[in-house]
Amino acid sequence: EDKVVQSPLSLVVHEGDTVTLNCSYEVTNFRSLLWYKQEKKAPTFLFMLTSSGIEKKSGRLSSILDKKELFSILNITATQTGDSAVYLCAVGRTGKLIFGQGTTLQVKP
Amino acid sequence: DSGVTQTPKHLITATGQRVTLRCSPRSGDLSVYWYQQSLDQGLQFLIQYYNGEERAKGNILERFSAQQFPDLHSELNLSSLELGDSALYFCASSATPGPSTDTQYFGPGTRLTVL
Repeated sequence: EDKVVQSPLSLVVHEGDTVTLNCSYEVTNFRSLLWYKQEKKAPTFLFMLTSSGIEKKSGRLSSILDKKELFSILNITATQTGDSAVYLCAVGRTGKLIFGQGTTLQVKP
Repeated sequence: DSGVTQTPKHLITATGQRVTLRCSPRSGDLSVYWYQQSLDQGLQFLIQYYNGEERAKGNILERFSAQQFPDLHSELNLSSLELGDSALYFCASSATPGPSTDTQYFGPGTRLTVL
């Protein structure tokens, strides 16, 4: 059965800290791995990764995929209170996304 | 704003009833996906349509059905509602179901409460 597991499930840090969120997967017909940020409502797209070892970066956020070890990490540097959200990892296979349970990040001032 | 619209935002109904949720994809997107998000199950894929045809099915109950119309909007019909159907229902869209287009953009969701 396809599985996407995120860790930790929740995290509390202070502004300025760096955090690393983990996502491991066992999915047949893997095509891509995506990260989303979910605040109040709709998940908003952050990154899509398809190749191992190539870091994707957007501002203070970066992510990398290891297709051999079947995991990805999402790094957030110099965290801000606006980074508080649920971060969802999803693996894309034919037509659908399989989501992990999410990591709830709280950034305290 | 992702460009995906969903109506209504909230829906409160009783057990046994039937409801219809509506979704309009981003301009130019041909694929529509439906997801259910509940506290205990997380985000679960229900069904995908591409250009009017059903393409993929997830853990969608037989009481639920969907369709995509010629103008590409989609409706999710939920019938014989049970308390456990209370959840957030998201619609997402992507340009095509091809290998480079797994990026799905989510609408704001419809919160369904079954009393």
